[in-house]
Amino acid sequence: DQQVKQNSPSLSVQEGRISILNCDYTNSMFDYFLWYKKYPAEGPTFLISISSIKDKNEDGRFTVFLNKSAKHLSLHIVPSQPGDSAVYFCAAKEEGGSEKLVFGKGTKLTVNP
Amino acid sequence: NAGVTQTPKFQVLKTGQSMTLQCAQDMNHEYMSWYRQDPGMGLRLIHYSVGAGITDQGEVPNGYNVSRSTTEDFPLRLLSAAPSQTSVYFCASRPSLAKNIQYFGAGTRLSVL
Repeated sequence: DQQVKQNSPSLSVQEGRISILNCDYTNSMFDYFLWYKKYPAEGPTFLISISSIKDKNEDGRFTVFLNKSAKHLSLHIVPSQPGDSAVYFCAAKEEGGSEKLVFGKGTKLTVNP
Repeated sequence: NAGVTQTPKFQVLKTGQSMTLQCAQDMNHEYMSWYRQDPGMGLRLIHYSVGAGITDQGEVPNGYNVSRSTTEDFPLRLLSAAPSQTSVYFCASRPSLAKNIQYFGAGTRLSVL
């Protein structure tokens, strides 16, 4: 039973265009959402996060949108750069003291020059 | 600035062997966690620790032991390796004030034959 779903295993975009990565979740107790980026042979690195009390968070070229009613979030990268090519994981966490982050399976983004 | 350091990077075991995956962080973070990532899957939490002397189980704890005798180190022990434990293992840490953002090591790729 996947609580966090990234239904697109891969995405290919042209340099300079927008990349949109999507994530759906089923657990209504999730109150914090994060995006991690992972390059081959490296550990995931934190990219951007959003609390459930917000519907948008922006950090430079990266913006995360949260639609609680649809249990959907998306990561927008504008403009996309070749260095953005990586696997992007969506993760979610319930309110409370648990350390458990629930991860999606990831989306491999390729930005073509 | 080493961050989270995992050793070894690669390991091959025979079924039934035991071994310890090492994880050390030099950021004085209170919280540390172990995750595993299987092909085509997101990361799943194995065990975590909220401070020296305190550990708890995550989503997939069976077959693994942990201990936290110091703030810096959080080793993961495989008691009797099984082929199902073939995976990439990531250690992560976070400070208590950064509630949800974890910093990951580069991973240990383990194969159990």
